[in-house]
Formats: sequence, C-alpha cells, structure tokens
Amino acid sequence: DAGITQSPRYKITETGRQVTLMCHQTWSHSYMFWYRQDLGHGLRLIYYSAAADITDKGEVPDGYVVSRSKTENFPLTLESATRSQTSVYFCASRTSDDHTIYFGEGSWLTVV
Amino acid sequence: KNQVEQSPQSLIILEGKNCTLQCNYTVSPFSNLRWYKQDTGRGPVSLTIMTFSENTKSNGRYTATLDADTKQSSLHITASQLSDSASYICVVRGRPDSWGKLQFGAGTQVVVTP
Repeated sequence: DAGITQSPRYKITETGRQVTLMCHQTWSHSYMFWYRQDLGHGLRLIYYSAAADITDKGEVPDGYVVSRSKTENFPLTLESATRSQTSVYFCASRTSDDHTIYFGEGSWLTVV
Repeated sequence: KNQVEQSPQSLIILEGKNCTLQCNYTVSPFSNLRWYKQDTGRGPVSLTIMTFSENTKSNGRYTATLDADTKQSSLHITASQLSDSASYICVVRGRPDSWGKLQFGAGTQVVVTP
C-alpha cells in the first residue's frame, strides 16, 4: 500500500548504543520530517529535508543524525543513545499542493 | 514559550454531546492553521486547514473556526462518537518558507464515554 512507513515500530536499546529508525514513503514527496513526541510537549522537529541530499536542523537536533540519499528514504540515527531520547518518533512527509503533512505510525523507542 | 496554546488539556464528554476545543497562538506572520486528530498509538491525521482569509471550515462532524485578528481557533465536534476519542492537535505555520518552524500545540485529549 502507498503511504509512509516506519521501522521498527518498537525498540528497546541500551544507553550508548547506536540506533537507526527507518522511514520510507511511496508518494515521492520532496519534504520529509522527523519529530519526537513526549508527554506534556507538542511534537518537536528534529530534522527535516527539502529534497534528496538536502537536510536541515529542527528544534531539537542534538544527538541525532539524518541522511537522505534517496527521495523515498529518510533514516534517523541516534549515534549514542541516551535515556532522554526515550520517546515516540514520527516520520512525516508533505504534499506539494496543499502542503498537508502525512505522518507515519510512529516508532516507540526506549533507552535503558 | 510555546507559541501555540491549547485548552482544555483534556475533557470527557458523553456520546452524542458536542464539545469545543480552543487554540490560541502568537505565531506571526501567520500562514495557515491545521487541526490534526491523533488516535492512541497512531500518527496524527489532518482534519482541517485554514488560511488567513477563512473563518470556518467543516469536515463532517468537525467544524473549525479561525479569528486571525485575535489569533484564536476552535474545533467543534458535533454529536460525538466513541471513535472521536483521541488527542486533537493545533498546528500553526508561520512564514510560507518556514517549514522548519511549524508550531505544534500540546494537544487536547478527548475521551468520549458511552
């Protein structure tokens, strides 16, 4: 089915480990985003990408790395996971006509 | 300080009743405002989008209003159903080129009870 998919959906990792969250979209949207959602906070932008090989920092980029070698993929890497990075991570992409943002189903990450 | 404030933080309503959620923002200049619905364990889904010139927008039983002068928006749910139980998030976009600066409210958690 077309859409935006994230993997893994659930992950438990240890402090200091590297973790990569995958995001794939089938619409060929130019813009893609990574957000984290924590209790008591609205969605906060980590990184976004306007096109392949173009990425930019959002509100909370520290500790995260992104890449976008292909339009359809936008992986998010936690280079050395910390407990404060325990969160729900949402990948999203944006249409070019009405600029609607479509979110993936989320990746629940727990760092122990 | 968050530029988008939503109220109430949560509310419980009986099935079949109406409710109204509020969103106040300070984002300026203003481009558009969206309401998203987020079911538990799922990603947010867009309900409505409103630009500066629009006052009201409906999507089924959901009606959004916007007062750009007072920087307030509301989302009205008519004849609530159990499936309306979700978090409703107000999202404001500022300058047209500011995709890195969408402002999200913390959401209003709605619980519809039988």
